[in-house]
Amino acid sequence: EDQVTQSPEALRLQEGESSSLNCSYTVSGLRGLFWYRQDPGKGPEFLFTLYSAGEEKEKERLKATLTKKESFLHITAPKPEDSATYLCAVQATGFQKLVFGTGTRLLVSP
Amino acid sequence: DARVTQTPRDKVTEMGQEVTMRCQPILGHNTVFWYRQTMMQGLELLAYFRNRAPLDDSGMPKDRFSAEMPDATLATLKIQPSEPRDSAVYFCASGFRDPLQRQGAPSYNEQFFGPGTRLTVL
Repeated sequence: EDQVTQSPEALRLQEGESSSLNCSYTVSGLRGLFWYRQDPGKGPEFLFTLYSAGEEKEKERLKATLTKKESFLHITAPKPEDSATYLCAVQATGFQKLVFGTGTRLLVSP
Repeated sequence: DARVTQTPRDKVTEMGQEVTMRCQPILGHNTVFWYRQTMMQGLELLAYFRNRAPLDDSGMPKDRFSAEMPDATLATLKIQPSEPRDSAVYFCASGFRDPLQRQGAPSYNEQFFGPGTRLTVL
């Protein structure tokens, strides 16, 4: 069964304090790994798709990387507006549904 | 700008009542997904449609849940009868799957989520 585990469950950072969120996965064959951001009371917002080990993608202060077993979302010099829950999801080869992790709640204090 | 809309945003009902949630996908998208989100389980896929045809509803309790797409601009999720354990936020998402799989075409996996319907069953 495909599984996604995210850690930590919650993370508190000071503004400017860089860190990383982890997404470990087990999947029969990876078609894609996805990162979403979710703000309270809103739907998830798409951030990145990664398809193969070694791939990296960046958007503003965020950079996502992928290995054969896990993905990291690196946050460089975060700002309070980066506070949100970050969700990771995988899609297995031959299947079309996404399997989501339970997310990491990030709080960035000024 | 284009976005997925859902109604109602909040619904409080009593056990045994019928609940209908509606979703308007982004115009031009051909794939629609229904998810349920709870604190314990996170985001779970209930069902999804491609070109209005159901492709997978294995995540949905069949005895009380039903999902349909009467037309390309409307998807519905119905619960009858509702139970307290159905209390959750229900999200609709849409995306586009290029049937020709052309290089550079946007992946349907870039799903765009609506704001959700928060359902409370008393």
